[in-house]
Amino acid sequence: DAGVTQSPTHLIKTRGQQVTLRCSPKSGHDTVSWYQQALGQGPQFIFQYYEEEERQRGNFPDRFSGHQFPNYSSELNVNALLLGDSALYLCASSLHGGGVADTQYFGPGTRLTVL
Amino acid sequence: AQTVTQSQPEMSVQEAETVTLSCTYDTSESDYYLFWYKQPPSRQMILVIRQEAYKQQNATENRFSVNFQKAAKSFSLKISDSQLGDAAMYFCAYRSEGGTSYGKLTFGQGTILTVHP
Repeated sequence: DAGVTQSPTHLIKTRGQQVTLRCSPKSGHDTVSWYQQALGQGPQFIFQYYEEEERQRGNFPDRFSGHQFPNYSSELNVNALLLGDSALYLCASSLHGGGVADTQYFGPGTRLTVL
Repeated sequence: AQTVTQSQPEMSVQEAETVTLSCTYDTSESDYYLFWYKQPPSRQMILVIRQEAYKQQNATENRFSVNFQKAAKSFSLKISDSQLGDAAMYFCAYRSEGGTSYGKLTFGQGTILTVHP
């Protein structure tokens, strides 16, 4: 049973560039959430996708956008990169509907460095 | 908005001993879930244990158990018979079951656990 996968593992970009991160959910899951984790801090919620729509959004600017595909995989796009966007980006998947089944399981993350 | 507070930035324990990590949260909701996640240096966030707010019985998973005090809004994690592999950053997290915050996890700041052989 494949868990949550993310690509790439590491990424180095320069200020002003754009980046796309990818996530494939755990088998049987239909919901994908994205988190940003600065070094030594707890993850911060960016947004959640279900049925190819953004269902919840955290306190992040419009430079952060996403997409969910019919196979439930998801992308996180960040435009006009800033130095402060350097972080570990975590993807989590779950089964929509609340309760125990809605428990989020995480991927290994993508480490983004902005120079 | 819900908040989660972990007041212990670092904790240490001897192998085979017991350690308790603290977590408090603030919410006006009655229906929610609480979680403990573990993040080793490899950085993969791993689910340790979860607790449904409407269940009075404390959750247990092998050597891991929680002390859930709903009225006090406290959710501590007890690790028994600590092992070297338990060394990691531990995060407490909250998930609403309804309302405008449904679905997202709110995390605490984390507690670094060191296990001494």
